[in-house]
Amino acid sequence: GEDVEQSLFLSVREGDSSVINCTYTDSSSTYLYWYKQEPGAGLQLLTYIFSNMDMKQDQRLTVLLNKKDKHLSLRIADTQTGDSAIYFCAESMGDSGGSYIPTFGRGTSLIVHP
Amino acid sequence: NAGVTQTPKFQVLKTGQSMTLQCAQDMNHEYMSWYRQDPGMGLRLIHYSVGAGITDQGEVPNGYNVSRSTTEDFPLRLLSAAPSQTSVYFCASSYLPGGYGYTFGSGTRLTVV
Repeated sequence: GEDVEQSLFLSVREGDSSVINCTYTDSSSTYLYWYKQEPGAGLQLLTYIFSNMDMKQDQRLTVLLNKKDKHLSLRIADTQTGDSAIYFCAESMGDSGGSYIPTFGRGTSLIVHP
Repeated sequence: NAGVTQTPKFQVLKTGQSMTLQCAQDMNHEYMSWYRQDPGMGLRLIHYSVGAGITDQGEVPNGYNVSRSTTEDFPLRLLSAAPSQTSVYFCASSYLPGGYGYTFGSGTRLTVV
């Protein structure tokens, strides 16, 4: 099965909160990331969280980590049309060599409508 | 501008042709990777490097070759292009492993006919 799983689509109304969920299988994951990809562009790191943290907040973004359930979520408050993009969850172990290389989920397409 | 530069941005190849996708970074990053992105498949790792002279295979290495003779450059070679290699290819680099994430290039859109 996949190492990192995400639902493929999420549709929200402008001004509402968006919550994008991710589950991962590797309990030794040390770093968990959220990336954003706008149409025709590369991925941009939005935020990351270390596995010894439960929560991280950065302006409109809140990341929650439930290590017991291997569940990561990204909440975007006051979602705007400019937030429409594909959001990728990724994880890496980060203990040596190739384990630092992140493994990505399939991405969640967030559609924000007026 | 500092960052990861990929060339070309678009390429059409005929089946059986070979070519090299270029990737260069000017941030002195040790870690570099090549991913391919296909609809509904997310990003899949092709090859990666943890420093000059050191490369290793990722999840989908068949049909691709890499080398890392300098810290700055990490070219990806398609040996004999096949339609299954039609994809968007991303190069990414990182200075510190793990938590600081990757800087991505803008991608190369490759079509093999």
